[in-house]
Amino acid sequence: GQQLNQSPQSMFIQEGEDVSMNCTSSSIFNTWLWYKQEPGEGPVLLIALYKAGELTSNGRLTAQFGITRKDSFLNISASIPSDVGIYFCAGRSRIQGAQKLVFGQGTRLTINP
Amino acid sequence: EAQVTQNPRYLITVTGKKLTVTCSQNMNHEYMSWYRQDPGLGLRQIYYSMNVEVTDKGDVPEGYKVSRKEKRNFPLILESPSPNQTSLYFCASSFGGVAYNEQFFGPGTRLTVL
Repeated sequence: GQQLNQSPQSMFIQEGEDVSMNCTSSSIFNTWLWYKQEPGEGPVLLIALYKAGELTSNGRLTAQFGITRKDSFLNISASIPSDVGIYFCAGRSRIQGAQKLVFGQGTRLTINP
Repeated sequence: EAQVTQNPRYLITVTGKKLTVTCSQNMNHEYMSWYRQDPGLGLRQIYYSMNVEVTDKGDVPEGYKVSRKEKRNFPLILESPSPNQTSLYFCASSFGGVAYNEQFFGPGTRLTVL
């Protein structure tokens, strides 16, 4: 099936630094989503994007739906220890059908206090 | 409390011994789905269900079965588990329509097949 390429695979940063990660695809997506997974938990939805070019914030998190519909970006400003976890992008496309989400490989974020 | 529950949370079994992982949601969601999570591969969909008695294959259905006899329950069945099914499994649910996006995930079931 379709795949989303997420990068970087892992990040080691200092507390207070900004974080950027992205997700790309070779095909068009109609919806982009960003999830966070904390240790021992299931993923939790952070931000949903529905229109090309859309920029949406959720506290210190900001995500954008790329103009080409083939990519999305997530930024975290002024990172804090509770930001630690794995961040997944996910997308929904007409090819896959409305009922299926395709996930990226994840970005593991580690923060040094 | 609105939630998706999975049981068991941890399971170690042997090759060929049939097992079932249960999933239940109390949010009256139409849509339910099973994913497996493996290092470097993200989450891959195994099966999904649009509503009672309506199920369909995801991207990696081989070796798995599901059923949806009741709206709240969506068990995952491994008739003859093999070591390559060792993984972390997540059940998820959501309402239909555009709310497919806002899937609520269970806490996960870590399965080891020896």
